[in-house]
Amino acid sequence: ELKVEQNPLFLSMQEGKNYTIYCNYSTTSDRLYWYRQDPGKSLESLFVLLSNGAVKQEGRLMASLDTKARLSTLHITAAVHDLSATYFCAVLTTSGTYKYIFGTGTRLKVLA
Amino acid sequence: DAMVIQNPRYQVTQFGKPVTLSCSQTLNHNVMYWYQQKSSQAPKLLFHYYDKDFNNEADTPDNFQSRRPNTSFCFLDIRSPGLGDAAMYLCATSRDLGFMTGQSEQYFGPGTRLTVT
Repeated sequence: ELKVEQNPLFLSMQEGKNYTIYCNYSTTSDRLYWYRQDPGKSLESLFVLLSNGAVKQEGRLMASLDTKARLSTLHITAAVHDLSATYFCAVLTTSGTYKYIFGTGTRLKVLA
Repeated sequence: DAMVIQNPRYQVTQFGKPVTLSCSQTLNHNVMYWYQQKSSQAPKLLFHYYDKDFNNEADTPDNFQSRRPNTSFCFLDIRSPGLGDAAMYLCATSRDLGFMTGQSEQYFGPGTRLTVT
């Protein structure tokens, strides 16, 4: 069974600190997506990672993909309160049929 | 702006009373998806349409049905809602299926929050 696991599930951090969220998956895929979700809202696309070694950065967030290790990371630099949200990774798999498998989500709270 | 629209944004229905949620898109994408997301959980794919081809997930209850009368619209029908069906329902689209760059990126609508009383 395909699994996509994120850790940590909950993260409370101080403003100005750095931290990394990890996304591990159990199937072969080179398509990985990161989303942000604010409470009561829909998913907002953050990054699309399309190949091994892909790295993308937007503001204080940087995402990378290692398809050999089946691992993606979302690194937060100098966190600010506005980054508080739940972050999901999702893997596109062709196992059986094309579909997205979402990770468990990481709920991030940045404390002032 | 091209977008994915869901109506209504909030829906309250009674236990056992059929309800329909609507999704429309101006992106002219081939694929439309319906996800169910319960509180503090990841989105769970219910089914998707590739053009007119319907693909049901194996664990989607029979209580959930979908229609796609044309490229732009897709509906989620819940025939007899139970208390456990209260959730956020997310519609998403992608241009196509597959691994070609840009084909499979999903665009999400704002969601419909369903309450069952």
